[in-house]
Amino acid sequence: AQTVTQSQPEMSVQEAETVTLSCTYDTSESDYYLFWYKQPPSRQMILVIRQEAYKQQNATENRFSVNFQKAAKSFSLKISDSQLGDAAMYFCAYRSARGVRFGAGTRLTVKP
Amino acid sequence: NAGVTQTPKFRILKIGQSMTLQCTQDMNHNYMYWYRQDPGMGLKLIYYSVGAGITDKGEVPNGYNVSRSTTEDFPLRLELAAPSQTSVYFCASSYSMGLAGGSGTGELFFGEGSRLTVL
Repeated sequence: AQTVTQSQPEMSVQEAETVTLSCTYDTSESDYYLFWYKQPPSRQMILVIRQEAYKQQNATENRFSVNFQKAAKSFSLKISDSQLGDAAMYFCAYRSARGVRFGAGTRLTVKP
Repeated sequence: NAGVTQTPKFRILKIGQSMTLQCTQDMNHNYMYWYRQDPGMGLKLIYYSVGAGITDKGEVPNGYNVSRSTTEDFPLRLELAAPSQTSVYFCASSYSMGLAGGSGTGELFFGEGSRLTVL
């Protein structure tokens, strides 16, 4: 079964600095998607960024980028120029034809 | 753009009562899911459906039932509510898994969540 591991339960970053959240996954499949979702205190699940496994180029969305290492089964999220509004729970997710799995989440605190 | 709509947003139940959480989506997604999120935890899959008339169990199906009579609707029924079912419930939908070069963007679209308390 696919598993998704987020090894950092909590992270903290100073406003305007850069932070990297880690995610690893275990799979024997070659075709899948990886996602990072943000869950602010409002509890709404918001898609931050998406990566297709067949694409070698790392996805970027404004201040958010990923480091996708397929062979190492690693999918980290980098947040540049952190803002107070980035404070939230961040969930890594894996999706294949066999289903969807979420990591346990990383709580990000942004210090002013 | 309604997206995924869940009702009710909040509900308090007494032990042993039953209720249905409603979920509807207007994006013509064939996949729909129900997750629960306990305080400070991640998402656990309760049930999912790959199309009308087809449902399957997830990680934590005990105490719940689902049905999928239409593409749009995927209600979750709680029978004989127990304090262990106190949680926030999320409904989500998505397209089919898009293979390389195929259609679909893969991500799940979530409702706003329903907070259920069983006393």
